[in-house]
Amino acid sequence: QQPVQSPQAVILREGEDAVINCSSSKALYSVHWYRQKHGEAPVFLMILLKGGEQKGHEKISASFNEKKQQSSLYLTASQLSYSGTYFCGTGPLPHYGQNFVFGPGTRLSVLP
Amino acid sequence: NAGVTQTPKFRILKIGQSMTLQCAQDMNHNYMYWYRQDPGMGLKLIYYSVGAGITDKGEVPNGYNVSRSTTEDFPLRLELAAPSQTSVYFCASSYSGGDTEAFFGQGTRLTVV
Repeated sequence: QQPVQSPQAVILREGEDAVINCSSSKALYSVHWYRQKHGEAPVFLMILLKGGEQKGHEKISASFNEKKQQSSLYLTASQLSYSGTYFCGTGPLPHYGQNFVFGPGTRLSVLP
Repeated sequence: NAGVTQTPKFRILKIGQSMTLQCAQDMNHNYMYWYRQDPGMGLKLIYYSVGAGITDKGEVPNGYNVSRSTTEDFPLRLELAAPSQTSVYFCASSYSGGDTEAFFGQGTRLTVV
């Protein structure tokens, strides 16, 4: 079942902060975050794993609440380059496959 | 290092035609995936493979077929194209699955008319 993302869209000014949320109705092993700019391929941001391990870019922070099956991506001091659509992907098992599904995306626009 | 390479980048098909979307990766990744992305929507998994000779269906496999004869290549076959298959198709690969990042190709924009 597809995870739910909120908000659907957000508009920021440069330097402002934003939080994007992802929640699932199923127990999760991993949460992935990707950013996609218009007309381009998704680009990896971060992986959060059950047990607390995180892998990703130093400038990106995120949290993973295993009990609530929720993850949040924190974008601080936003830059114009942060604009794009952010997708979370969730899976109950330590592999992809048909049980790993992506959310519908959150569209972020950062204005000068 | 080329990463994940998809060809072609654009294609227009007529209803009922068939075609193969090519995907190759040079990172020696075991896992490969095909996704489709409809306008303004998220990614839907079509098929995936955990190694050469092993493939399995994803969320939306109907109308597609795949094969994985080598570690590097994972072609997607569309048989009897339909307008509902108009979409952007992304191929991706990862080293070991859900605990490693996926690398995406640049996509193939397919229009069926």
